[in-house]
Amino acid sequence: DTGVSQDPRHKITKRGQNVTFRCDPISEHNRLYWYRQTLGQGPEFLTYFQNEAQLEKSRLLSDRFSAERPKGSFSTLEIQRTEQGDSAMYLCASSPVERGELFFGEGSRLTVL
Amino acid sequence: QKEVEQNSGPLSVPEGAIASLNCTYSDRGSQSFFWYRQYSGKSPELIMFIYSNGDKEDGRFTAQLNKASQYVSLLIRDSQPSDSATYLCAVGMDSSYKLIFGSGTRLLVRP
Repeated sequence: DTGVSQDPRHKITKRGQNVTFRCDPISEHNRLYWYRQTLGQGPEFLTYFQNEAQLEKSRLLSDRFSAERPKGSFSTLEIQRTEQGDSAMYLCASSPVERGELFFGEGSRLTVL
Repeated sequence: QKEVEQNSGPLSVPEGAIASLNCTYSDRGSQSFFWYRQYSGKSPELIMFIYSNGDKEDGRFTAQLNKASQYVSLLIRDSQPSDSATYLCAVGMDSSYKLIFGSGTRLLVRP
């Protein structure tokens, strides 16, 4: 067994480019969450899925961000037209339904030049 | 307004001492409370959760919850240098189990 898996672990891109991150949750977990974390701050909620349904999206999330979870398994987070302010660690977490504990992956660190 | 507040620290304690980490939250309807440990450059790791008022113990860790005061704490007994990390308090706001995190308290355990 494996925990939550994220790919890539590191991404360096130029401003204006699109990037996509992938998350594979723990297999029996129905809920999947995306968070963003910058230096010195706690993780900030972006969005979450229950199975394939995206149930909530943060008001702070601009239209350049989109997330999908086709078939209720892995999820992708795409950032279009990246900006330097998008530089952060993007964390994926999963949890079983009816329990609140989130289990995080190792994160995908994005650097926008 | 920040919904989950933590002192950023650093909190420095000698090896073997008790480290006490505190967290306050603003939403009285909060249902679930979590402590995560995060080493530098790593992702958060769940160490404790508590849902009811009172104390919950797990090894060297004790979580304490006081819903009336909107306060949750984490005690680490017999602190070790390996406990040096940032401790994140997280609060579950509703049935989505979405967690709202504080900014974390950095703990330093001096050998």
